[in-house]
Amino acid sequence: TQLLEQSPQFLSIQEGENLTVYCNSSSVFSSLQWYRQEPGEGPVLLVTVVTGGEVKKLKRLTFQFGDARKDSSLHITAAQPGDTGLYLCAGAARHTDKLIFGTGTRLQVFP
Amino acid sequence: GAGVSQSPSNKVTEKGKDVELRCDPISGHTALYWYRQSLGQGLEFLIYFQGNSAPDKSGLPSDRFSAERTGGSVSTLTIQRTQQEDSAVYLCASSRQGRIDEQFFGPGTRLTVL
Repeated sequence: TQLLEQSPQFLSIQEGENLTVYCNSSSVFSSLQWYRQEPGEGPVLLVTVVTGGEVKKLKRLTFQFGDARKDSSLHITAAQPGDTGLYLCAGAARHTDKLIFGTGTRLQVFP
Repeated sequence: GAGVSQSPSNKVTEKGKDVELRCDPISGHTALYWYRQSLGQGLEFLIYFQGNSAPDKSGLPSDRFSAERTGGSVSTLTIQRTQQEDSAVYLCASSRQGRIDEQFFGPGTRLTVL
């Protein structure tokens, strides 16, 4: 069974702090996506990374795909209350092309 | 344009009753997925429809769960003889082609089984 473990599970920080969320697996993925979900809504795609070692930046968010395509990280600089939400990574399995979602990281940013 | 819509938004039912959850995908999207999310955790894959191909039912937790997609558009997820452990948010998503494409999610149906 392919699993995507995210850490930390919960994170509460003050506005202006930096943070990193990790997404790890023992399996190789052909691509990996990051979603953010707010209460009462469905997840919304933030980014897709497809190449090992790839780094993508989206304003204050930096996403990295591991060289071996087994892991990924999301770094947020100077977090804001609007960043609050559930962050989910999702990997596309290499041979079955099945999308597997991670366990989630719940972020709370206090003003 | 309209996004993915789901109905009802909330459903409370008694143990043993059947429930039907509806999903209207984005027009033109050939792929449709159902997921289950418990207590704000990660998403559990249930079933996947792609065009006219046979659906991938590998994620359905038991034979009490079934889904159909009529005319390549609207989908209904049916849970028979509901149990308390079925309580969760059921999310539907659609994408233009397949699983590695961007998935557009509906707001979900929160199911509570008493």
